Amino acid sequence: AQSVAQPEDQVNVAEGNPLTVKCTYSVSGNPYLFWYVQYPNRGLQFLLKYITGDNLVKGSYGFEAEFNKSQTSFHLKKPSALVSDSALYFCAVSLTTDSWGKLQFGAGTQVVVTP
Amino acid sequence: DAGVTQSPTHLIKTRGQQVTLRCSPISGHKSVSWYQQVLGQGPQFIFQYYEKEERGRGNFPDRFSARQFPNYSSELNVNALLLGDSALYLCASSLLARGSTDTQYFGPGTRLTVL
Repeated sequence: AQSVAQPEDQVNVAEGNPLTVKCTYSVSGNPYLFWYVQYPNRGLQFLLKYITGDNLVKGSYGFEAEFNKSQTSFHLKKPSALVSDSALYFCAVSLTTDSWGKLQFGAGTQVVVTP
Repeated sequence: DAGVTQSPTHLIKTRGQQVTLRCSPISGHKSVSWYQQVLGQGPQFIFQYYEKEERGRGNFPDRFSARQFPNYSSELNVNALLLGDSALYLCASSLLARGSTDTQYFGPGTRLTVL
């Protein structure tokens, strides 16, 4: 069975400092990995995805993520956090064997960026 | 371009009642998926539809059903509501029928409260 883990319920960072949100996965095949962000009372907004190729993926709003197959991780990063980055972040995985693309999500990490 | 739209925004029902939630995908998208997000958790997959046919189903009871119309919009129905059905129901659309690499774009959700 596949699973996604976000080990931190909350990440606190000062504005201007680097932001990292951790994600690890467990799948039996090759994963496709996604990051979404959710603002209060809103749906999920797509940030980036890893399908194949370069392990460093660049996405929206200055975010990037690094796929590490040996550590089964897909951590989200931003070099300089903004107060407006405060939100709930979700990592998700779909399987290459699941041709219909069902997403399995982690529990989410609340990011709080203080001025 | 309009994104995924959902209606209603909020809904309050009592136990035992039935509810219908509606979703319109992004123009040109033929696949619609439904997810349930309970407070404090990540979204859980309920259904995926393409070309009016169910392509995937999550671990939800038969009280949950859905359908897709010729214009690719979709409805999610929940019968015999339980308190535990209180959640944010998210609809997502994607362009491709098959292929778990395709990005799913989410609507703002319908907040269902069961009293």
